[in-house]
Amino acid sequence: DTGVSQDPRHKITKRGQNVTFRCDPISEHNRLYWYRQTLGQGPEFLTYFQNEAQLEKSRLLSDRFSAERPKGSFSTLEIQRTEQGDSAMYLCASSPRDRGNTEAFFGQGTRLTVV
Amino acid sequence: ELKVEQNPLFLSMQEGKNYTIYCNYSTTSDRLYWYRQDPGKSLESLFVLLSNGAVKQEGRLMASLDTKARLSTLHITAAVHDLSATYFCAVDIKAAGNKLTFGGGTRVLVKP
Repeated sequence: DTGVSQDPRHKITKRGQNVTFRCDPISEHNRLYWYRQTLGQGPEFLTYFQNEAQLEKSRLLSDRFSAERPKGSFSTLEIQRTEQGDSAMYLCASSPRDRGNTEAFFGQGTRLTVV
Repeated sequence: ELKVEQNPLFLSMQEGKNYTIYCNYSTTSDRLYWYRQDPGKSLESLFVLLSNGAVKQEGRLMASLDTKARLSTLHITAAVHDLSATYFCAVDIKAAGNKLTFGGGTRVLVKP
């Protein structure tokens, strides 16, 4: 296992199109987080899962955004009817539930550009 | 609402000199993290600080935590060009699912 994997790494889409991103966490990690980072800012929390259950959604996650983790393994983040303001880096992170001294591990991110 | 503030936002460093980045957070938290981010890249974990008085060091970087003051510092000793990056601090709360709240970042540029 080489860590958290995200696909695609880059996505350019036209305004109004739908896009879907995938995140494969570290295999033994039951928590999975999505963050969004706009240029020059720190990452902002979007949502997280414990196994297949989505436990919290930020108010940043409008009704155009939906995330799933159907079997408690990989997760998808879909954005419908994309807007230019959705352009950002979307970061996925995973961790064990009982984190102890361990931090969350981040994937390489998916950079979305809406034109 | 948990808020995390970093300062300065930008730090221009001279090689060989020492500098400090400050991170303040607004409410009691369980852990404090420092991450490094290179342009266009993801986040690389540097340190996890768990308790008051914790100090961790790796190479030219040293992080400390004062939970009473809700303050962490990242100290850079004898800066070198390779340390040019953006540094983020973040905190989490176990009862809130350990989701991270990040500061705005400190962009560091080390000049020869």
